[in-house]
Amino acid sequence: DQQVKQNSPSLSVQEGRISILNCDYTNSMFDYFLWYKKYPAEGPTFLISISSIKDKNEDGRFTVFLNKSAKHLSLHIVPSQPGDSAVYFCAASALRDDKIIFGKGTRLHILP
Amino acid sequence: KAGVTQTPRYLIKTRGQQVTLSCSPISGHRSVSWYQQTPGQGLQFLFEYFSETQRNKGNFPGRFSGRQFSNSRSEMNVSTLELGDSALYLCASSSDEGSGTDTQYFGPGTRLTVL
Repeated sequence: DQQVKQNSPSLSVQEGRISILNCDYTNSMFDYFLWYKKYPAEGPTFLISISSIKDKNEDGRFTVFLNKSAKHLSLHIVPSQPGDSAVYFCAASALRDDKIIFGKGTRLHILP
Repeated sequence: KAGVTQTPRYLIKTRGQQVTLSCSPISGHRSVSWYQQTPGQGLQFLFEYFSETQRNKGNFPGRFSGRQFSNSRSEMNVSTLELGDSALYLCASSSDEGSGTDTQYFGPGTRLTVL
């Protein structure tokens, strides 16, 4: 049973435009959400997080939105840059449980 | 601070063999988690160690085991290797004291190929 779902395996976006990566979860106990970015041959690196008491968190070009009723979160990258081409993993955890569950990832291609 | 290191970076084994992977966390981090990454399944949680004790475990068979030493370094062992064990094995460390919100820092991974 996949508790964290990233339904788009890949996404192509023009440089300078907005990239929107989506993530759905099924476990209502999740109350902390993270996004990681991964380049080939490197481990994932932390990008941004959000707790369930918020519905938006912003850090520079990256904004994460959380819709608890829909069990949906999204990562917005504005403006998209060539260096943003990578695989993005959505992850979730329940604060009382240290296990972090990852989605399968979405490969983002930024087109020149 | 030095990042998370994993050794070896690449490994080729044959079916039936066993393998041990090593992970050195960031200095001061006491939590070490292991993940398996495959193209079809994405990143899957294997287990987490904190202060030499396994604190969490994913849904993997008993062939997958691990341990953590007093210096927080961790090893992961896979016995009786199967072709399906070919994957990138990632280790992540955090200073997590149990809140579940601390950032995990990943190593570069060990690419295991089983022939």
